[in-house]
Amino acid sequence: DIQMTQSPSSVSASVGDRVTISCRSSQDIYNWVAWYQQKPGKAPKLLIYGAHNLYGGVPSRFSGSRSGSGTEFTLTITSLQPEDFATYYCQQGNSFPFTFGPGTEVEIK
Amino acid sequence: QEQLVESGGGLVKPGGYLRLSCEVSGFNFKDYYMHWIRQAPGKGLEWVSCINQSGTMRQYRDSVKGRFTISRDNAKNSLFLDISNLSDDDTAIYYCASGLRPQNWYFNLWGRGTLVTVSS
Repeated sequence: DIQMTQSPSSVSASVGDRVTISCRSSQDIYNWVAWYQQKPGKAPKLLIYGAHNLYGGVPSRFSGSRSGSGTEFTLTITSLQPEDFATYYCQQGNSFPFTFGPGTEVEIK
Repeated sequence: QEQLVESGGGLVKPGGYLRLSCEVSGFNFKDYYMHWIRQAPGKGLEWVSCINQSGTMRQYRDSVKGRFTISRDNAKNSLFLDISNLSDDDTAIYYCASGLRPQNWYFNLWGRGTLVTVSS
């Protein structure tokens, strides 16, 4: 199975801050990565797919990228808004079984 | 408006059986891959199984192979997950989700989930 890791596991930030979350896969997954946002008691929501494609209706302050090899990916939130405090997960769609990272909690500073 | 509604969860004893259902409305169910994803209390997300549009291709994670069966009824816009020989490790919220077209392997629409608790 492809292992997904995320860093940091949590981050404290203020409204207006820029937040960067990293995700690393245990093998090359090309651009087969997605990012999800989950708030307590709610289902996850798709934010980014294919490493950098913004899903419909998602604010443009969210962006995704791949750095260099197909194993390192980044979710960036520019100008953090109050509704962005949540847990974020990366997920690989390269091969079965699909796997998620352990999550990064974005907390209010 | 697209909607996915899971049902069928509950408290079940180890070794027991449940049938989870997911009723879909607001989009052409028959055109989409469908997935089950679970989340143990306070834990992360774990993909469980998927089924293609016609129901002819099914995939499972290793830990549920032979115990879980995914199926669908396109005439009734419904997805199912039969879960048997349950253990404590299966305790989780079970979400159904549609696969984003055409990639299929990203989950763009989710239900609210149904809780399965395995306990004696």
